[in-house]
Amino acid sequence: GENVEQHPSTLSVQEGDSAVIKCTYSDSASNYFPWYKQELGKGPQLIIDIRSNVGEKKDQRIAVTLNKTAKHFSLHITETQPEDSAVYFCAASNGNQFYFGTGTSLTVIP
Amino acid sequence: GAVVSQHPSRVICKSGTSVKIECRSLDFQATTMFWYRQFPKKSLMLMATSNEGSKATYEQGVEKDKFLINHASLTLSTLTVTSAHPEDSSFYICGYSYPGDTQYFGPGTRLTVL
Repeated sequence: GENVEQHPSTLSVQEGDSAVIKCTYSDSASNYFPWYKQELGKGPQLIIDIRSNVGEKKDQRIAVTLNKTAKHFSLHITETQPEDSAVYFCAASNGNQFYFGTGTSLTVIP
Repeated sequence: GAVVSQHPSRVICKSGTSVKIECRSLDFQATTMFWYRQFPKKSLMLMATSNEGSKATYEQGVEKDKFLINHASLTLSTLTVTSAHPEDSSFYICGYSYPGDTQYFGPGTRLTVL
């Protein structure tokens, strides 16, 4: 089955700096890679996603890159703000099942 | 994105009682739904998956007689924790998706069993 690894598990950055979270996957059949943000006591919310036919996608301060050959994808948050503080999960999907990373707790220090 | 609701948001019950959690998709009809359990500071642990018109498929180690899942319709699913015990205390999250599409999550239910 699929195995998704996520690093780092915790990340602290100064407000205004960039944050990068990386994930790797093992199953070449995975073709959809969403990123979720989870605030304390709430369910995960989709923030950006990318499909295997695309190498990069950007939405304002958030971007995701995908390297199919190396089987890794990354989340980039620029100009971080305190409200970006949360737990971020990556996931890989083959169209049916979703496999989640172990999460990254991001703290943005004002 | 799609809107998924969950009720109740939190519940406290006595050991031995049963608790039902409802999950509704409010603005779309999804063919697949998922139930997850999440421990503090941990990732989502998939409990079961169900597709339209079929029974739920439980992950290894999840007792189907203890965690009853009813995929009543394309917009409603329920998880019943039967004879709950303190070790069942956790954060339960439902998710809906279309094949090949993203998964939308409910806000979660915090279950505390005394």
